[in-house]
Amino acid sequence: SQQGEEDPQALSIQEGENATMNCSYKTSINNLQWYRQNSGRGLVHLILIRSNEREKHSGRLRVTLDTSKKSSSLLITASRAADTASYFCATGGGNKLTFGTGTQLKVEL
Amino acid sequence: NAGVTQTPKFQVLKTGQSMTLQCAQDMNHEYMSWYRQDPGMGLRLIHYSVGAGITDQGEVPNGYNVSRSTTEDFPLRLLSAAPSQTSVYFCASSYIRQGARNEQFFGPGTRLTVL
Repeated sequence: SQQGEEDPQALSIQEGENATMNCSYKTSINNLQWYRQNSGRGLVHLILIRSNEREKHSGRLRVTLDTSKKSSSLLITASRAADTASYFCATGGGNKLTFGTGTQLKVEL
Repeated sequence: NAGVTQTPKFQVLKTGQSMTLQCAQDMNHEYMSWYRQDPGMGLRLIHYSVGAGITDQGEVPNGYNVSRSTTEDFPLRLLSAAPSQTSVYFCASSYIRQGARNEQFFGPGTRLTVL
Protein backbone atom coordinates (compact mmCIF):
# COMPACT_ATOMS: atom_id res chain seq x y z
CA SER A 1 0.00 0.00 0.00
CA GLN A 2 1.14 3.53 -0.66
CA GLN A 3 2.34 5.51 2.32
CA GLY A 4 2.19 8.86 0.56
CA GLU A 5 -0.44 10.37 -1.63
CA GLU A 6 0.38 13.41 -3.73
CA ASP A 7 -2.08 16.08 -4.65
CA PRO A 8 -2.87 17.16 -7.29
CA GLN A 9 -2.29 14.22 -9.62
CA ALA A 10 -1.53 16.62 -12.45
CA LEU A 11 -0.67 20.30 -12.60
CA SER A 12 -0.18 22.57 -15.60
CA ILE A 13 1.26 26.07 -15.21
CA GLN A 14 2.96 28.77 -17.24
CA GLU A 15 6.70 29.33 -17.10
CA GLY A 16 7.58 31.76 -14.34
CA GLU A 17 4.67 30.76 -12.12
CA ASN A 18 5.05 28.88 -8.85
CA ALA A 19 4.07 25.23 -8.54
CA THR A 20 2.86 23.69 -5.31
CA MET A 21 2.27 20.02 -4.75
CA ASN A 22 1.25 18.28 -1.57
CA CYS A 23 1.93 14.94 0.03
CA SER A 24 -0.03 13.25 2.78
CA TYR A 25 1.23 10.18 4.61
CA LYS A 26 -0.21 7.75 7.11
CA THR A 27 2.29 6.79 9.79
CA SER A 28 4.97 8.49 11.86
CA ILE A 29 8.15 9.31 9.97
CA ASN A 30 11.80 10.09 10.63
CA ASN A 31 12.12 12.08 7.44
CA LEU A 32 10.39 12.74 4.16
CA GLN A 33 12.07 13.00 0.79
CA TRP A 34 11.03 14.44 -2.55
CA TYR A 35 12.17 13.00 -5.88
CA ARG A 36 11.78 14.12 -9.49
CA GLN A 37 11.34 11.82 -12.47
CA ASN A 38 11.74 13.07 -16.00
CA SER A 39 9.89 11.14 -18.66
CA GLY A 40 11.52 7.77 -19.32
CA ARG A 41 14.19 8.26 -16.66
CA GLY A 42 14.94 7.12 -13.14
CA LEU A 43 14.13 9.16 -10.07
CA VAL A 44 16.45 11.88 -8.84
CA HIS A 45 16.61 12.97 -5.21
CA LEU A 46 15.65 16.62 -4.65
CA ILE A 47 15.47 17.30 -0.94
CA LEU A 48 15.06 15.63 2.44
CA ILE A 49 13.33 17.15 5.45
CA ARG A 50 13.62 15.61 8.90
CA SER A 51 10.70 15.15 11.25
CA ASN A 52 12.01 17.88 13.59
CA GLU A 53 12.22 20.42 10.76
CA ARG A 54 9.29 22.53 9.57
CA GLU A 55 10.75 24.11 6.46
CA LYS A 56 13.74 23.62 4.19
CA HIS A 57 15.04 25.42 1.13
CA SER A 58 17.23 24.32 -1.74
CA GLY A 59 17.61 26.74 -4.63
CA ARG A 60 14.12 27.28 -6.07
CA LEU A 61 12.67 24.50 -3.94
CA ARG A 62 10.90 25.03 -0.65
CA VAL A 63 9.62 22.09 1.36
CA THR A 64 7.41 22.26 4.42
CA LEU A 65 6.48 19.51 6.82
CA ASP A 66 3.56 19.41 9.25
CA THR A 67 3.85 16.24 11.30
CA SER A 68 0.63 16.98 13.17
CA LYS A 69 -1.28 16.85 9.89
CA LYS A 70 1.00 14.19 8.38
CA SER A 71 1.54 16.32 5.31
CA SER A 72 4.29 17.99 3.33
CA SER A 73 4.35 20.44 0.47
CA LEU A 74 6.88 21.10 -2.27
CA LEU A 75 6.97 24.57 -3.78
CA ILE A 76 8.92 25.26 -6.96
CA THR A 77 9.31 28.98 -7.51
CA ALA A 78 9.74 30.71 -10.87
CA SER A 79 9.13 27.48 -12.75
CA ARG A 80 10.90 26.65 -16.00
CA ALA A 81 10.00 24.34 -18.87
CA ALA A 82 12.80 22.04 -17.63
CA ASP A 83 10.85 21.50 -14.40
CA THR A 84 8.31 19.47 -16.37
CA ALA A 85 8.44 16.08 -14.67
CA SER A 86 6.69 13.87 -12.15
CA TYR A 87 7.34 14.57 -8.48
CA PHE A 88 7.14 11.95 -5.75
CA CYS A 89 7.28 12.10 -2.00
CA ALA A 90 8.86 9.19 -0.15
CA THR A 91 8.81 8.14 3.48
CA GLY A 92 10.22 5.21 5.37
CA GLY A 93 12.39 3.89 8.10
CA GLY A 94 16.05 3.80 7.33
CA ASN A 95 16.68 3.07 3.68
CA LYS A 96 13.42 1.27 2.95
CA LEU A 97 11.30 3.91 1.23
CA THR A 98 7.65 3.98 0.31
CA PHE A 99 6.71 6.28 -2.54
CA GLY A 100 3.52 8.13 -3.27
CA THR A 101 1.72 8.04 -6.59
CA GLY A 102 3.24 11.31 -7.79
CA THR A 103 2.22 14.66 -9.24
CA GLN A 104 2.75 15.25 -12.95
CA LEU A 105 3.87 18.83 -13.48
CA LYS A 106 3.80 20.44 -16.90
CA VAL A 107 5.36 23.86 -17.32
CA GLU A 108 4.34 25.54 -20.55
CA LEU A 109 6.22 28.28 -22.35
CA ASN B 1 31.48 7.06 -11.50
CA ALA B 2 28.83 5.38 -13.62
CA GLY B 3 26.38 5.41 -10.69
CA VAL B 4 23.63 2.80 -10.97
CA THR B 5 23.46 0.94 -14.26
CA GLN B 6 20.73 -1.39 -15.48
CA THR B 7 20.56 -3.78 -18.40
CA PRO B 8 18.72 -4.32 -20.62
CA LYS B 9 16.82 -1.08 -21.26
CA PHE B 10 13.97 -2.87 -23.00
CA GLN B 11 12.86 -6.49 -23.00
CA VAL B 12 9.93 -8.43 -24.44
CA LEU B 13 9.17 -11.86 -23.03
CA LYS B 14 6.58 -14.50 -23.66
CA THR B 15 4.51 -15.83 -20.80
CA GLY B 16 6.44 -18.50 -18.93
CA GLN B 17 9.89 -17.37 -19.98
CA SER B 18 12.50 -16.52 -17.38
CA MET B 19 15.07 -13.77 -17.41
CA THR B 20 17.39 -11.75 -15.22
CA LEU B 21 17.46 -7.97 -14.97
CA GLN B 22 20.93 -6.75 -14.15
CA CYS B 23 21.79 -3.92 -11.75
CA ALA B 24 25.20 -2.69 -10.74
CA GLN B 25 26.50 0.28 -8.75
CA ASP B 26 30.02 1.60 -8.31
CA MET B 27 29.45 3.80 -5.25
CA ASN B 28 30.14 1.08 -2.67
CA HIS B 29 26.58 1.42 -1.35
CA GLU B 30 25.47 -1.17 1.15
CA TYR B 31 21.76 -0.86 0.36
CA MET B 32 20.26 -1.89 -2.96
CA SER B 33 16.65 -2.32 -3.95
CA TRP B 34 14.32 -3.12 -6.83
CA TYR B 35 11.08 -1.28 -7.56
CA ARG B 36 8.44 -1.67 -10.19
CA GLN B 37 6.54 1.32 -11.50
CA ASP B 38 3.07 0.97 -12.92
CA PRO B 39 0.81 3.78 -14.17
CA GLY B 40 -1.05 5.49 -11.34
CA MET B 41 0.62 3.36 -8.67
CA GLY B 42 3.93 5.02 -8.04
CA LEU B 43 6.88 2.80 -7.17
CA ARG B 44 6.46 -0.41 -5.25
CA LEU B 45 9.33 -2.19 -3.53
CA ILE B 46 9.99 -5.74 -4.75
CA HIS B 47 13.13 -6.84 -2.89
CA TYR B 48 15.98 -5.14 -1.11
CA SER B 49 19.41 -5.93 0.32
CA VAL B 50 21.41 -4.35 3.12
CA GLY B 51 24.68 -5.98 2.12
CA ALA B 52 26.28 -8.90 0.35
CA GLY B 53 24.55 -12.13 1.26
CA ILE B 54 21.53 -10.39 2.82
CA THR B 55 18.21 -9.93 1.02
CA ASP B 56 14.64 -9.40 2.09
CA GLN B 57 11.19 -9.04 0.60
CA GLY B 58 9.45 -5.79 -0.11
CA GLU B 59 5.82 -5.06 -0.82
CA VAL B 60 5.40 -7.11 -4.01
CA PRO B 61 7.96 -9.97 -4.02
CA ASN B 62 5.91 -12.77 -5.60
CA GLY B 63 7.32 -14.05 -8.88
CA TYR B 64 10.73 -12.50 -8.33
CA ASN B 65 14.00 -13.72 -6.84
CA VAL B 66 17.13 -11.81 -5.91
CA SER B 67 20.62 -12.55 -4.68
CA ARG B 68 23.51 -10.36 -3.55
CA SER B 69 26.83 -12.10 -3.93
CA THR B 70 28.83 -8.86 -4.19
CA THR B 71 28.38 -5.29 -2.99
CA GLU B 72 28.19 -4.05 -6.57
CA ASP B 73 25.59 -6.33 -8.14
CA PHE B 74 21.94 -7.03 -7.36
CA PRO B 75 20.22 -9.02 -10.14
CA LEU B 76 16.46 -9.52 -10.24
CA ARG B 77 15.19 -12.82 -11.63
CA LEU B 78 11.76 -13.43 -13.10
CA LEU B 79 11.17 -17.15 -12.73
CA SER B 80 8.17 -17.57 -15.04
CA ALA B 81 7.07 -14.31 -16.58
CA ALA B 82 3.40 -13.33 -16.49
CA PRO B 83 1.59 -10.45 -18.24
CA SER B 84 1.03 -8.89 -14.78
CA GLN B 85 4.78 -8.36 -14.58
CA THR B 86 4.71 -5.95 -17.50
CA SER B 87 6.15 -2.83 -15.92
CA VAL B 88 9.13 -0.53 -15.67
CA TYR B 89 11.72 -1.81 -13.22
CA PHE B 90 14.09 0.45 -11.32
CA CYS B 91 17.12 -0.47 -9.27
CA ALA B 92 18.31 1.92 -6.56
CA SER B 93 21.15 2.08 -4.06
CA SER B 94 22.19 4.13 -1.05
CA TYR B 95 24.52 4.21 1.92
CA ILE B 96 23.46 2.89 5.30
CA ARG B 97 24.77 5.22 7.95
CA GLN B 98 23.43 5.94 11.39
CA GLY B 99 21.70 9.30 11.32
CA ALA B 100 22.67 10.03 7.73
CA ARG B 101 20.38 10.98 4.93
CA ASN B 102 19.37 7.89 2.99
CA GLU B 103 19.13 9.49 -0.41
CA GLN B 104 18.66 6.80 -3.01
CA PHE B 105 20.30 6.78 -6.41
CA PHE B 106 18.26 5.28 -9.20
CA GLY B 107 19.21 3.51 -12.39
CA PRO B 108 17.62 4.45 -15.74
CA GLY B 109 15.12 1.59 -15.63
CA THR B 110 14.23 -1.52 -17.65
CA ARG B 111 10.96 -1.50 -19.57
CA LEU B 112 9.61 -5.06 -19.60
CA THR B 113 6.68 -6.32 -21.65
CA VAL B 114 5.32 -9.81 -21.13
CA LEU B 115 3.09 -11.09 -23.93
